[in-house]
Amino acid sequence: SQTIHQWPATLVQPVGSPLSLECTVEGTSNPNLYWYRQAAGRGLQLLFYSVGIGQISSEVPQNLSASRPQDRQFILSSKKLLLSDSGFYLCAWGQGGTEAFFGQGTRLTVV
Amino acid sequence: KQEVTQIPAALSVPEGENLVLNCSFTDSAIYNLQWFRQDPGKGLTSLLLIQSSQREQTSGRLNASLDKSSGRSTLYIAASQPGDSATYLCAVSKGPGSARQLTFGSGTQLTVLP
Repeated sequence: SQTIHQWPATLVQPVGSPLSLECTVEGTSNPNLYWYRQAAGRGLQLLFYSVGIGQISSEVPQNLSASRPQDRQFILSSKKLLLSDSGFYLCAWGQGGTEAFFGQGTRLTVV
Repeated sequence: KQEVTQIPAALSVPEGENLVLNCSFTDSAIYNLQWFRQDPGKGLTSLLLIQSSQREQTSGRLNASLDKSSGRSTLYIAASQPGDSATYLCAVSKGPGSARQLTFGSGTQLTVLP
């Protein structure tokens, strides 16, 4: 069966520090991978998606970047965090137009 | 641009009640609709997926319906239990081939009182 792992679960980082969140999927190949952000009191916003290794599309301009170094690995990064980057970050995978599966999320607090 | 609205934003019911959560979307050209459950501080758990050609899906005490032409979906929860307390999100997908698919509503926060 397929599983998705996301870590860390919580993270507190100072403003201006770098960020690296990792997501891996097991039990499937060539998945579509997504990073979403959920800000307090707001819905989920799609940040990045990837249809294959090295293929990244950004939905909104921001202080973040994403990379997909391996088929089942998706990384969300920032060189210098802003206070506004605080939120709940969710990784997800899917294939075609079928069901989407989410990780457990990372709560990021920038202080 | 697709917009998804969920009403009510919050709902509190006594245990044992049947309840309905509503989801509406502005663009009826969807590929499928998915209902999720989110517990506080956790990720999303998929509950039901309805393809655009389907009218409803059932899983246990949950039943989701879809009326694509009117841009509406409902999630019916029968005999609610305190363990059903969570935020329920609906999301619509635009097409099968593209990856950036899901547009989410803001959710309905459900509290089932024992």
